[in-house]
Amino acid sequence: EVQLVESGGGLVQYGGSLRLSCAASGFTFSHYAMTWVRQAPGKGLEWVSTISVSGDNTYYADPVKGRFTISRDDSENTLYLLMNSLRADDSAVYYCARYVRPVYYFDYWGQGILVTVSS
Amino acid sequence: IQLTQSPSSLSASVGDRVTITCRASQGINSYLAWYQQKPGKAPKLLIYAASTLQSGVPSRFSGSGSGTDFTLTISSLQPEDFATYYCQQLKSYPLTFGGGTQVEIK
Repeated sequence: EVQLVESGGGLVQYGGSLRLSCAASGFTFSHYAMTWVRQAPGKGLEWVSTISVSGDNTYYADPVKGRFTISRDDSENTLYLLMNSLRADDSAVYYCARYVRPVYYFDYWGQGILVTVSS
Repeated sequence: IQLTQSPSSLSASVGDRVTITCRASQGINSYLAWYQQKPGKAPKLLIYAASTLQSGVPSRFSGSGSGTDFTLTISSLQPEDFATYYCQQLKSYPLTFGGGTQVEIK
């Protein structure tokens, strides 16, 4: 059974940093691109970042570019999101998801982890 | 690429046929997916490649379209279908989602 479990969220002060983790199981992690999506309270879904299978290619939404870094550790079957210079509008539930290519879709999602940035 | 979903919300009864539209600001071929999200839960993939039903998703869900105009249809609304639906384009970065359509009980 495919499982994605996020951790590392919580309350952080404005300007602070946080690292989210997404532990994957039930599939060959190294064979898939992975992605982060967030959802602010009461709002819609917002794509945040994607990392390729090899890890050589990374993509970011404009609001997080230069502040967030996506990475992966295939030996640990874990996806990461390092978030620096956090702002109030980064407060959201963050989901990791498996990205199936070349057909293109997010087929499995984690349960989500809440990040709250306080001013 | 911006995605505009309509309507943003709708009220319908069990058994109704429901159609949600998603319009892209430029052509995206068939690089479109649809997701269902219930309160407090992660999104669930329904349709990918504009019209391919994800395994395990009931056949009352269907998708159509190509280029800039897409639709998600629920042929006969069931109680468990009351949720918010999102379209997503995967043609190019930044990947984007539509604003969502909340389907409520009439």
